[in-house]
Amino acid sequence: QVQLQESGPGLVKPSETLSLTCTVSGGSTSSYFWSWIRQPAGKGLEWIGRIYSSGGTNYNPSLKSRVTLSADTSKNQFSLKLTSMTAADTAVYYCARGVGGARGFDYWGHGTLVTVSS
Amino acid sequence: QSVLTQPPSVSAAPGQKVTISCSGSSSNIGNSYVSWYQQLPGTAPKLLIYDNNRRPSGIPDRFSGSKSGTSATLGITGLQTGDEADYYCGTWDTSLSAYVFGAGTKITVL
Repeated sequence: QVQLQESGPGLVKPSETLSLTCTVSGGSTSSYFWSWIRQPAGKGLEWIGRIYSSGGTNYNPSLKSRVTLSADTSKNQFSLKLTSMTAADTAVYYCARGVGGARGFDYWGHGTLVTVSS
Repeated sequence: QSVLTQPPSVSAAPGQKVTISCSGSSSNIGNSYVSWYQQLPGTAPKLLIYDNNRRPSGIPDRFSGSKSGTSATLGITGLQTGDEADYYCGTWDTSLSAYVFGAGTKITVL
């Protein structure tokens, strides 16, 4: 059974960079797309971006200038960096596996709450 | 403002059927697969439907999906109290080169 686990700081100061890692167990990161999705409290889902195991990426145009995704297939991990954090970036951040590219997300992490505050 | 339009809420009595619509455009639903997710309070979303109408293993056949043109629909029959949750549609938008979600629909079981 594939499992995903997000890890990283729960508190980030304004203007700083958020770094999150998703560790995949029970399966390989190879040959799949891996996405980050976030959800502010009481609001809907927002796709941040995705990375293929070979390194190709796509980003949400609204966040593209601040986002970098990377993957380390040897460690079965992929990571998110989001720069210039503001209070508007406070949200639960999920990592998820893509089904055949963009046909759906079949495995999700439990999510990690990131709060932006000084 | 979401690219995909869903009703904010729907409600029905136990045992009844509900449908949730998801309206988009030719740059998203019209040319891409639609998926649906159930999010129970305090939990991560769960894939209910992918490829417009396919159910992952373990999802009961009470849940169904369909797509016609630039709209998609999620159907739930035999509504149960455990179905109270937020439901999201999602698809790839070829103009944005991004995955987009609807704003979500809250199902209330009366």
